[in-house]
Formats: sequence, structure tokens, C-alpha cells
Amino acid sequence: QSALTQVASVSGFPGQSITISCAGTSSDVGSYNLVSWYQQHPGKAPKVIIYEVSKRPSGVPDRFSGSKSGNTASLTISGLQAEDEAVYYCCSYASSGTYVFGTGTEVTVL
Amino acid sequence: QVTLKESGPVLVKPTETLTLTCTVSGFSLTNARMGVSWIRQPPGKALEWLAHIFWNDEKSYTTSLKSRLTISKDSSKSQVVLTMTNMDPVDTATFYCVRILLNSAFDFWGQGTMVTVSS
Repeated sequence: QSALTQVASVSGFPGQSITISCAGTSSDVGSYNLVSWYQQHPGKAPKVIIYEVSKRPSGVPDRFSGSKSGNTASLTISGLQAEDEAVYYCCSYASSGTYVFGTGTEVTVL
Repeated sequence: QVTLKESGPVLVKPTETLTLTCTVSGFSLTNARMGVSWIRQPPGKALEWLAHIFWNDEKSYTTSLKSRLTISKDSSKSQVVLTMTNMDPVDTATFYCVRILLNSAFDFWGQGTMVTVSS
């Protein structure tokens, strides 16, 4: 159960679009449509923003979108806003009832 | 509304056993397709899923810590308990209690409780 791989940091200007990738394996991301994404602001608990690859919970802005191709999942933030500055984690089901998180990506709004 | 609250010691000594309790409200631990997970986060580091227990008492543990973890629930008290044996300073972390939906995601998180392992 190795952590999913995410780039450490991504930055963008307000209004721009950014994409965060989450690289897994055929044993986790590639085998199940159970990828979720979490946003964590400093000192706060994480919050789910995408579940089951591309579904958005009620109240999450539609500028957040998710997708998956093969063993890699992606989170796109369109129209970046100052409040989107946070750390983002992906998570995937990984068989036998276990889950694995990504290494986390820090998003900076320039 | 759904809430989860962690409780337990702030400080434990190396080799001791950590016992954390999660008290939930707004849903029942017997609700179908619902469960509770424990997730930890060392200071400045990534999230790590530890274990979960579902409404039907199905349990799972992360492979690397399976020998040290035990999760259980008392539905009548709306509580889930996690024990971790043989604590080490590297186990210092914030521990989160989180509701999990079967075949979906971790949808409600507790505020977290910081546990420091030090002599």
C-alpha cells in the first residue's frame, strides 16, 4: 500500500485553471472508480470536494472537477480563486477494504 | 447534523497503548452502508488511512500497522474506539475520526485530536 503520487506544489493566478494529478497503480486507482479528493486549509480538517472520481458533493463549487484515465486521477480547478489556496489530497480504494491517500499538493494562488 | 468528536490522551509515552474514542451524532452506527474510519496526519505530512468499521461490523486495517491496531464500536453509545499498541515518537500525529460511506468517500470529518508520543 504505497501512497499515491502527487506533485508537491502547483500555483496559478486568479481566474486561471490548474490540474493536479494523482498517480496510482492498477491495484488502486486503475481498478476502482472510488477516487476522492480532499481540500485542507491550514489547521483545519480535510473536506471532501470530489468523490467516485467525478461527483461533487452539494455545496462544492462547480469549478472543481475530477477525472480518471488509467492509473492516474486528476483534479481540475477552473477559475482559480484566493480561497482555493490549500493542500489537496487524492484517495483511492485499494482492495480488501483498504484505502490509500496521495502525498498531497499545495496550491498557491499568486 | 452529522458530527464526530475524537477524545483521548494528548500525550502518551513510548511503548504505551493509545486508546482513542470517537463519539458520533446525527447518524447511527447501525445505518446501512455507513461506517467510521480513523485517519492520521503527522505534523506537516500527508494523511494516512488507518482503519474502518462498518454498520455490519466489517473491519479493515492498513497493512503496515495491522498488527498494532484494533477498531471496535458500541452502537448503543454511538462510539467507535481505536487502540494502537506500542506507540513510538514517529506515531505523533493528529488523529481524525471520519464517517465513510460504503463504496464512496469520507464525507464528514471530526476536528481531529493531536497525540504526542514522548517520554
